Amino acid sequence: EVQLVESGGGSVQPGGSLRLSCAAGGFTFSSFWMHWVRLAPGRGLEWVSRIDGDGNTINYADSVKGRFTMSRDNARNSVFLQMNSLRPEDTAVYHCATDGGAAPEHWGQGTLVTV
Amino acid sequence: QSVLTQPPSASGTPGQRVTISCSGSSSNIGSNSVYWYQHLPETAPTLLIHRSNQRPSGVPDRFSGSKSGTSASLAISGLRSEDEADYYCAAWDDRLSGVVFGGGTKLTVL
Repeated sequence: EVQLVESGGGSVQPGGSLRLSCAAGGFTFSSFWMHWVRLAPGRGLEWVSRIDGDGNTINYADSVKGRFTMSRDNARNSVFLQMNSLRPEDTAVYHCATDGGAAPEHWGQGTLVTV
Repeated sequence: QSVLTQPPSASGTPGQRVTISCSGSSSNIGSNSVYWYQHLPETAPTLLIHRSNQRPSGVPDRFSGSKSGTSASLAISGLRSEDEADYYCAAWDDRLSGVVFGGGTKLTVL
Protein backbone atom coordinates (compact mmCIF):
# COMPACT_ATOMS: atom_id res chain seq x y z
CA GLU A 1 0.00 0.00 0.00
CA VAL A 2 1.31 3.42 -0.97
CA GLN A 3 1.97 5.69 2.00
CA LEU A 4 2.73 9.40 1.77
CA VAL A 5 3.13 11.54 4.89
CA GLU A 6 3.75 15.27 4.62
CA SER A 7 5.26 17.43 7.34
CA GLY A 8 6.78 20.85 7.84
CA GLY A 9 3.74 23.06 7.46
CA GLY A 10 3.03 25.95 9.80
CA SER A 11 2.39 29.66 10.07
CA VAL A 12 4.91 32.13 8.62
CA GLN A 13 5.05 35.85 7.91
CA PRO A 14 4.99 37.12 4.31
CA GLY A 15 8.48 36.96 2.86
CA GLY A 16 9.40 34.05 5.07
CA SER A 17 10.43 30.48 4.25
CA LEU A 18 9.30 26.94 5.00
CA ARG A 19 10.57 23.52 3.99
CA LEU A 20 8.01 20.77 3.47
CA SER A 21 8.88 17.09 3.55
CA CYS A 22 7.06 14.03 2.27
CA ALA A 23 8.02 10.55 3.48
CA ALA A 24 7.04 7.78 1.06
CA GLY A 25 6.61 4.04 1.43
CA GLY A 26 5.01 0.98 -0.12
CA PHE A 27 6.46 1.38 -3.61
CA THR A 28 9.79 1.62 -5.44
CA PHE A 29 10.28 5.30 -4.71
CA SER A 30 13.22 6.02 -7.00
CA SER A 31 11.27 4.79 -10.05
CA PHE A 32 8.51 7.36 -9.76
CA TRP A 33 8.03 10.99 -10.62
CA MET A 34 6.55 12.85 -7.63
CA HIS A 35 4.29 15.92 -7.46
CA TRP A 36 3.35 18.68 -5.05
CA VAL A 37 -0.22 19.99 -5.36
CA ARG A 38 -1.93 22.57 -3.16
CA LEU A 39 -5.52 23.33 -2.20
CA ALA A 40 -6.20 26.87 -1.04
CA PRO A 41 -9.29 27.77 1.01
CA GLY A 42 -12.19 28.60 -1.30
CA ARG A 43 -10.11 27.73 -4.35
CA GLY A 44 -9.51 24.54 -6.28
CA LEU A 45 -6.55 22.27 -6.67
CA GLU A 46 -3.40 23.87 -8.06
CA TRP A 47 -0.40 21.91 -9.28
CA VAL A 48 2.88 23.22 -7.86
CA SER A 49 5.76 21.09 -9.14
CA ARG A 50 6.99 17.65 -10.14
CA ILE A 51 10.36 15.87 -10.12
CA ASP A 52 11.60 12.78 -11.95
CA GLY A 53 12.97 9.67 -10.29
CA ASP A 54 16.61 10.81 -10.49
CA GLY A 55 15.90 14.37 -9.44
CA ASN A 56 17.33 15.70 -12.70
CA THR A 57 14.15 17.05 -14.27
CA ILE A 58 11.90 19.39 -12.32
CA ASN A 59 8.92 21.42 -13.53
CA TYR A 60 7.20 24.27 -11.69
CA ALA A 61 3.96 26.21 -11.99
CA ASP A 62 4.53 29.81 -13.08
CA SER A 63 3.05 31.01 -9.78
CA VAL A 64 5.94 29.52 -7.77
CA LYS A 65 8.81 29.54 -10.25
CA GLY A 66 11.89 31.23 -8.80
CA ARG A 67 10.55 31.00 -5.23
CA PHE A 68 9.99 27.28 -4.63
CA THR A 69 12.50 24.46 -5.09
CA MET A 70 11.55 20.78 -5.24
CA SER A 71 14.11 18.08 -4.48
CA ARG A 72 14.30 14.43 -3.44
CA ASP A 73 16.49 12.03 -1.49
CA ASN A 74 16.00 8.50 -2.77
CA ALA A 75 18.08 7.03 0.06
CA ARG A 76 15.49 8.42 2.49
CA ASN A 77 12.44 7.86 0.25
CA SER A 78 11.57 11.51 0.62
CA VAL A 79 10.71 14.57 -1.43
CA PHE A 80 11.00 18.15 -0.29
CA LEU A 81 9.62 21.56 -1.18
CA GLN A 82 11.68 24.57 -0.14
CA MET A 83 9.38 27.59 -0.19
CA ASN A 84 10.95 31.08 -0.07
CA SER A 85 9.50 34.59 -0.39
CA LEU A 86 6.14 33.29 0.75
CA ARG A 87 3.04 35.32 -0.05
CA PRO A 88 -0.47 35.27 1.48
CA GLU A 89 -1.75 33.61 -1.70
CA ASP A 90 0.53 30.63 -0.97
CA THR A 91 -1.71 29.75 2.00
CA ALA A 92 -2.99 26.24 1.30
CA VAL A 93 -2.86 22.58 2.23
CA TYR A 94 0.12 21.11 0.38
CA HIS A 95 -0.14 17.49 -0.77
CA CYS A 96 2.61 15.31 -2.19
CA ALA A 97 1.54 12.69 -4.69
CA THR A 98 2.93 9.89 -6.83
CA ASP A 99 2.77 10.23 -10.59
CA GLY A 100 0.14 8.23 -12.49
CA GLY A 101 1.51 8.66 -16.00
CA ALA A 102 1.01 12.38 -16.50
CA ALA A 103 -0.78 13.60 -13.39
CA PRO A 104 -0.97 12.67 -9.69
CA GLU A 105 -2.16 9.23 -8.63
CA HIS A 106 -1.78 8.51 -4.89
CA TRP A 107 -2.00 11.52 -2.56
CA GLY A 108 -0.90 12.21 0.99
CA GLN A 109 -3.15 13.85 3.58
CA GLY A 110 -1.36 17.16 3.23
CA THR A 111 0.23 19.75 5.50
CA LEU A 112 -1.20 23.23 6.10
CA VAL A 113 0.84 26.31 5.27
CA THR A 114 -0.49 29.68 6.47
CA VAL A 115 1.16 32.91 5.30
CA GLN B 1 -9.14 31.33 -13.51
CA SER B 2 -8.48 27.63 -14.14
CA VAL B 3 -7.04 26.40 -17.44
CA LEU B 4 -9.64 23.60 -17.61
CA THR B 5 -13.30 24.62 -17.34
CA GLN B 6 -15.79 22.73 -15.19
CA PRO B 7 -19.28 23.69 -14.03
CA PRO B 8 -19.08 24.89 -10.41
CA SER B 9 -21.95 22.68 -9.31
CA ALA B 10 -24.00 19.63 -10.24
CA SER B 11 -26.77 17.72 -8.53
CA GLY B 12 -28.86 14.60 -8.73
CA THR B 13 -31.10 12.31 -6.74
CA PRO B 14 -30.12 8.84 -5.50
CA GLY B 15 -30.03 6.33 -8.33
CA GLN B 16 -29.73 8.97 -11.05
CA ARG B 17 -26.92 9.36 -13.56
CA VAL B 18 -25.02 12.63 -13.58
CA THR B 19 -22.24 13.88 -15.82
CA ILE B 20 -19.59 16.51 -15.18
CA SER B 21 -17.89 18.19 -18.11
CA CYS B 22 -14.32 19.43 -18.47
CA SER B 23 -13.29 21.68 -21.32
CA GLY B 24 -9.71 22.42 -22.34
CA SER B 25 -7.60 23.07 -25.41
CA SER B 26 -5.30 21.40 -27.90
CA SER B 27 -2.29 21.74 -25.59
CA ASN B 28 -3.87 19.79 -22.73
CA ILE B 29 -6.96 17.60 -23.20
CA GLY B 30 -6.56 17.64 -26.96
CA SER B 31 -3.19 15.89 -26.80
CA ASN B 32 -2.97 14.22 -23.39
CA SER B 33 -4.85 11.91 -21.06
CA VAL B 34 -7.46 13.23 -18.66
CA TYR B 35 -7.53 12.42 -14.95
CA TRP B 36 -10.50 12.73 -12.57
CA TYR B 37 -10.34 13.06 -8.79
CA GLN B 38 -12.86 12.93 -5.96
CA HIS B 39 -12.20 15.12 -2.94
CA LEU B 40 -14.10 14.82 0.32
CA PRO B 41 -13.54 17.47 3.03
CA GLU B 42 -10.59 16.83 5.35
CA THR B 43 -9.34 13.92 3.23
CA ALA B 44 -6.77 13.41 0.50
CA PRO B 45 -8.08 13.52 -3.08
CA THR B 46 -8.52 10.11 -4.67
CA LEU B 47 -8.00 9.15 -8.31
CA LEU B 48 -11.20 8.00 -10.02
CA ILE B 49 -10.19 7.91 -13.69
CA HIS B 50 -6.80 7.88 -15.42
CA ARG B 51 -5.81 7.74 -19.07
CA SER B 52 -9.15 9.42 -19.83
CA ASN B 53 -11.34 6.34 -19.35
CA GLN B 54 -9.52 3.83 -17.16
CA ARG B 55 -10.55 3.07 -13.58
CA PRO B 56 -7.85 2.24 -11.02
CA SER B 57 -8.46 -0.95 -9.09
CA GLY B 58 -11.00 -0.43 -6.34
CA VAL B 59 -12.97 2.32 -8.08
CA PRO B 60 -16.58 1.21 -8.63
CA ASP B 61 -17.73 0.79 -12.22
CA ARG B 62 -20.43 3.39 -11.49
CA PHE B 63 -17.72 5.90 -12.39
CA SER B 64 -16.74 6.25 -16.04
CA GLY B 65 -14.75 8.73 -18.09
CA SER B 66 -14.71 9.74 -21.73
CA LYS B 67 -12.84 12.19 -23.94
CA SER B 68 -13.58 13.74 -27.30
CA GLY B 69 -11.35 16.37 -28.87
CA THR B 70 -10.60 19.04 -26.29
CA SER B 71 -13.37 18.02 -23.88
CA ALA B 72 -13.87 15.25 -21.37
CA SER B 73 -16.60 14.11 -19.04
CA LEU B 74 -17.07 12.07 -15.90
CA ALA B 75 -20.27 10.09 -15.50
CA ILE B 76 -21.58 8.72 -12.22
CA SER B 77 -24.43 6.25 -12.46
CA GLY B 78 -26.56 4.91 -9.62
CA LEU B 79 -25.87 8.04 -7.61
CA ARG B 80 -25.37 7.51 -3.86
CA SER B 81 -25.29 9.92 -0.94
CA GLU B 82 -21.59 9.14 -0.38
CA ASP B 83 -20.82 10.50 -3.85
CA GLU B 84 -21.43 14.01 -2.55
CA ALA B 85 -17.99 15.59 -2.96
CA ASP B 86 -15.88 17.91 -5.10
CA TYR B 87 -14.72 16.51 -8.44
CA TYR B 88 -11.71 17.77 -10.41
CA CYS B 89 -10.38 17.05 -13.87
CA ALA B 90 -6.70 17.38 -14.75
CA ALA B 91 -4.33 16.93 -17.68
CA TRP B 92 -0.74 17.61 -18.63
CA ASP B 93 -0.37 20.83 -20.62
CA ASP B 94 2.36 20.74 -23.27
CA ARG B 95 2.49 24.54 -23.63
CA LEU B 96 2.75 25.25 -19.89
CA SER B 97 4.88 22.14 -19.14
CA GLY B 98 2.76 21.43 -16.12
CA VAL B 99 -0.37 19.74 -14.84
CA VAL B 100 -3.52 21.85 -15.17
CA PHE B 101 -6.68 21.35 -13.13
CA GLY B 102 -10.28 22.32 -13.58
CA GLY B 103 -11.83 24.60 -11.00
CA GLY B 104 -13.76 21.73 -9.45
CA THR B 105 -17.43 20.74 -9.46
CA LYS B 106 -19.35 20.41 -6.20
CA LEU B 107 -21.76 17.48 -6.53
CA THR B 108 -24.84 17.54 -4.32
CA VAL B 109 -26.99 14.45 -3.86
CA LEU B 110 -30.50 15.71 -3.20
